[in-house]
Amino acid sequence: GAGVSQSPSNKVTEKGKDVELRCDPISGHTALYWYRQSLGQGLEFLIYFQGNSAPDKSGLPSDRFSAERTGGSVSTLTIQRTQQEDSAVYLCASSLGGFILNSNQPQHFGDGTRLSIL
Amino acid sequence: AQSVAQPEDQVNVAEGNPLTVKCTYSVSGNPYLFWYVQYPNRGLQFLLKYITGDNLVKGSYGFEAEFNKSQTSFHLKKPSALVSDSALYFCAVRVSGNTPLVFGKGTRLSVIA
Repeated sequence: GAGVSQSPSNKVTEKGKDVELRCDPISGHTALYWYRQSLGQGLEFLIYFQGNSAPDKSGLPSDRFSAERTGGSVSTLTIQRTQQEDSAVYLCASSLGGFILNSNQPQHFGDGTRLSIL
Repeated sequence: AQSVAQPEDQVNVAEGNPLTVKCTYSVSGNPYLFWYVQYPNRGLQFLLKYITGDNLVKGSYGFEAEFNKSQTSFHLKKPSALVSDSALYFCAVRVSGNTPLVFGKGTRLSVIA
């Protein structure tokens, strides 16, 4: 399909384990975003990639969280030493341009990865 | 700092009646405003946006929203609700520049047949 693809759709892991979440953005979209959606908390911005620029990591909640975007396309969000409070739905979105260049461009979201930490 | 408030966690409306989902915002600068809808176990889908120009914007599925600068509001409306409109609705704002999209906490809309 032509939409944003995220995998896995569900992930259950034990506290203390590392997890990797993957996002395939829409082809041609230079901007990629990660959000976290916790029950009753809305969407929390985590990190943003725009082209080859240094990512905006201002939303990452701790140094256990990191993300990469290889080749300007696929992105991986890694959570090390997971804690129970990391349980949430992690959403990826992409758009044409980024915050500066195309502030009015809508973001297209994947269906998310539901992460459960036991 | 930017912020968005959706004062209602839940809105219930009878099918065929008009619906309103409220959103107010706070920004320093001109806002870019968005509405998204989320169905169960799915990501967010874009509904409509206000950038500039006409204060009444029309979007997908018959939804519209009115930008009111004096009241700093961007309420989502639909003249006649459908049961299939039942979902979680998010309002979001950003200003031009290097700032992230800020979302409200969402409003759950239930349309009752």
